[in-house]
Amino acid sequence: QSALTQPASVAGSPGQAITISCTGNTSDIGTFNFVSWYQQHPGKVPKLIIYEVNKRPSGVSNRFSGSKSGSTASLTISGLQAEDEADYYCCSYAGTSLSYVFGPGTWVTVL
Amino acid sequence: QVRLVQSGAEVKKPGSSVKVSCKTSGDTFSDYSISWLRQAPGQTLEWMGGIIPMFDTADYAHKFQDRVTLTADESTTTVYMELASLRLDDTAMYFCAKLNRLAGSFDSWGQGTLVTVSS
Repeated sequence: QSALTQPASVAGSPGQAITISCTGNTSDIGTFNFVSWYQQHPGKVPKLIIYEVNKRPSGVSNRFSGSKSGSTASLTISGLQAEDEADYYCCSYAGTSLSYVFGPGTWVTVL
Repeated sequence: QVRLVQSGAEVKKPGSSVKVSCKTSGDTFSDYSISWLRQAPGQTLEWMGGIIPMFDTADYAHKFQDRVTLTADESTTTVYMELASLRLDDTAMYFCAKLNRLAGSFDSWGQGTLVTVSS
């Protein structure tokens, strides 16, 4: 059982925008701004796409954006493309006792 | 940019140990932190622990602290993860990843090492 909760799946049509939520509590997302998001295509290595809630690493498309309100973080993918079909995992720092916790992952389907 | 290259797949018996290596290159070895994460088939990512070679200190997730040992060899810029008392449910892909401590994110990943525990 994951420490963070995410919807199992989200679907959207090409060109649309979708949002994936990631809910934690005051021990993780609610306290720390160390929220990151990872994209993982089947059989591939996870790739960092958002860090510190809303920052994008160099080379990551600006169609990916992140935000946080209270203990819930969100990832928005705008202008959905076929290549965005993948699993998306949220992650939060949870202090020295738990360190880093992940959500169960959300599969994004491009219809 | 740091490059991380892991050792090959392993098949182990229950009760035995496995040691996976992560060879780093492209940056000053001692300056960063390397974490180990695992992903069981069809499951999410799970942080196991991390080590900072500069300080030769390691932190472990509570779940693994009795079975995992992380070490670093500065002469070969390689980090090792040893998992003892293997169980069937330790079957997973194991990743090393560079932790950006200032951002709390894993920004470079090894290719993964599949560890299969089978009797």
